[in-house]
Amino acid sequence: NAGVTQTPKFRILKIGQSMTLQCTQDMNHNYMYWYRQDPGMGLKLIYYSVGAGITDKGEVPNGYNVSRSTTEDFPLRLELAAPSQTSVYFCASSYKGVTYGYTFGSGTRLTVV
Amino acid sequence: KQEVTQIPAALSVPEGENLVLNCSFTDSAIYNLQWFRQDPGKGLTSLLLIQSSQREQTSGRLNASLDKSSGRSTLYIAASQPGDSATYLCSGANNLFFGTGTRLTVIP
Repeated sequence: NAGVTQTPKFRILKIGQSMTLQCTQDMNHNYMYWYRQDPGMGLKLIYYSVGAGITDKGEVPNGYNVSRSTTEDFPLRLELAAPSQTSVYFCASSYKGVTYGYTFGSGTRLTVV
Repeated sequence: KQEVTQIPAALSVPEGENLVLNCSFTDSAIYNLQWFRQDPGKGLTSLLLIQSSQREQTSGRLNASLDKSSGRSTLYIAASQPGDSATYLCSGANNLFFGTGTRLTVIP
């Protein structure tokens, strides 16, 4: 049982480049989330999804896009990378909201130069 | 907008000491309050969840309390061990808002 798998673990992007951060869970969880964590800061919610085909904005969605075509996958897309997007990105999943507990991935450390 | 604050930002204690970590929030509509542990280079691990109708939760040496009227939650760690060294974060409102964390070091 792999839990929540994020790839890649590390990535350096140049300003203006695009990339997709992958997130896959094998627990049949309905809810999935993307957070970013800046140095010395707490997590900020970027986007979340309560099921396949449904996505919603979190606190800091600008500059990002998501899709949820399957229950297992919740990729995060950066279209035009900016230095302000340098951060550690965490994906999390839950069966049905916080009451059922969250499982976090190990994170993707992204640097935009 | 909900603001979640954790003070102190860092804390060092000798092994065996009991300690309290604090979490303050500005909006009493916090719904629920969760405490997480984060080890360096890792994701978050859930420790305790206090539902909106509850005032505290306990798990082993950990006890978390929630006082909505004062906008505070505390995480009590009894008989601290070096393995407790990590960053502890609190979050509220169904994990929509996270605190900045307290980095705990337990000295053997």
